[in-house]
Amino acid sequence: DVKVTQSSRYLVKRTGEKVFLECVQDMDHENMFWYRQDPGLGLRLIYFSYDVKMKEKGDIPEGYSVSREKKERFSLILESASTNQTSMYLCASTFIPSRGNYGYTFGSGTRLTVV
Amino acid sequence: DQQVKQNSPSLSVQEGRISILNCDYTNSMFDYFLWYKKYPAEGPTFLISISSIKDKNEDGRFTVFLNKSAKHLSLHIVPSQPGDSAVYFCAASGAGGTSYGKLTFGQGTILTVHP
Repeated sequence: DVKVTQSSRYLVKRTGEKVFLECVQDMDHENMFWYRQDPGLGLRLIYFSYDVKMKEKGDIPEGYSVSREKKERFSLILESASTNQTSMYLCASTFIPSRGNYGYTFGSGTRLTVV
Repeated sequence: DQQVKQNSPSLSVQEGRISILNCDYTNSMFDYFLWYKKYPAEGPTFLISISSIKDKNEDGRFTVFLNKSAKHLSLHIVPSQPGDSAVYFCAASGAGGTSYGKLTFGQGTILTVHP
């Protein structure tokens, strides 16, 4: 069974802490994504990566960075956590899409609370 | 700038009746549209998709309709079942350039199906 695994389901961190969210996929997918989900705003793209060591900013990259040293692992880093980064974080992966074929697989999410 | 909009935050339907979830988009470069379903504490799962060259796609109880001239799509669930109660996200892709399979999501609609 193919999987995207996020290392933590729930995290509580203090303001100003550096936070690492880890995501691992076992499907040999090229593309990996980090979204955050907030009520009334849906899923918003933070960063994505289409290859090892490659990264692209999404719609809301401010306050975040990412790392992709290996194909299967994509990490989201909150350099200095703030309360407005309290959210549900979702990782997803997909192969490079052929026309009309978007095999997004999502992880179960990490609920991050910054206090 | 919300390029994919789901203007109904919630929808309540009786079991056995039809559920209709709506989605509007503004970017005419989008050429592929998807619906995802999300239960609490789980990642979104793919439900059904449609290419811009079609106006209808059906999969069991789920049908997606696309009206390109109106930049509008809808998801019909017939008959609705209590297990369909979830958050439904509309998503779009293909907005030109190197999209790398990047999806733009709407805000989501909470569907509640009452027994």
